[in-house]
Amino acid sequence: KNEVEQSPQNLTAQEGEFITINCSYSVGISALHWLQQHPGGGIVSLFMLSSGKKKHGRLIATINIQEKHSSLHITASHPRDSAVYICAVRNTGTASKLTFGTGTRLQVTL
Amino acid sequence: DTEVTQTPKHLVMGMTNKKSLKCEQHMGHRAMYWYKQKAKKPPELMFVYSYEKLSINESVPSRFSPECPNSSLLNLHLHALQPEDSALYLCASSPARGVNTGELFFGEGSRLTVL
Repeated sequence: KNEVEQSPQNLTAQEGEFITINCSYSVGISALHWLQQHPGGGIVSLFMLSSGKKKHGRLIATINIQEKHSSLHITASHPRDSAVYICAVRNTGTASKLTFGTGTRLQVTL
Repeated sequence: DTEVTQTPKHLVMGMTNKKSLKCEQHMGHRAMYWYKQKAKKPPELMFVYSYEKLSINESVPSRFSPECPNSSLLNLHLHALQPEDSALYLCASSPARGVNTGELFFGEGSRLTVL
């Protein structure tokens, strides 16, 4: 079992839909990152969370430390949101290393 | 300036060539990272530099040689690579390493093809 599990693996949505991507992890963490990667491109850091909730524009990220679970929400989705979304955790024991989930491939259509 | 700049964006090299990838940041970050990413896979950590000293080497083959000439620059020297080394090489930086790493900033990557 991977230390970081994401669901769904693939997601297709129509423009305007509300999207949720989930991340569950099995280790103690000091922080959780949500990252975005467009095809063939570099990675953009969306959020770094250690507790609670953060919002940036149409993106909202939440984390429940007790349940070892985080969600990334996209409101009013747009085709430009099409990308791979990656959850990565910073283990308390190996804090310089990120453990990555396998990513969620999102396609938003018109 | 919140950018991590990587050059070149694309590199094609033969197995006998010597080339280098370059990464630069001017955010005053003291930790810099090299990751390797194969298609449709998550990034894999290769090296971590902290305060210009190599602090983590993830058992990377010696044909990859990192160098941190100063706090803003990180190089990855490539020699005698194999076709399976073809991948996207990502550089990242953060204010520090360890528990107080902070936000991670990635570059756009250098796409390497080894013939």
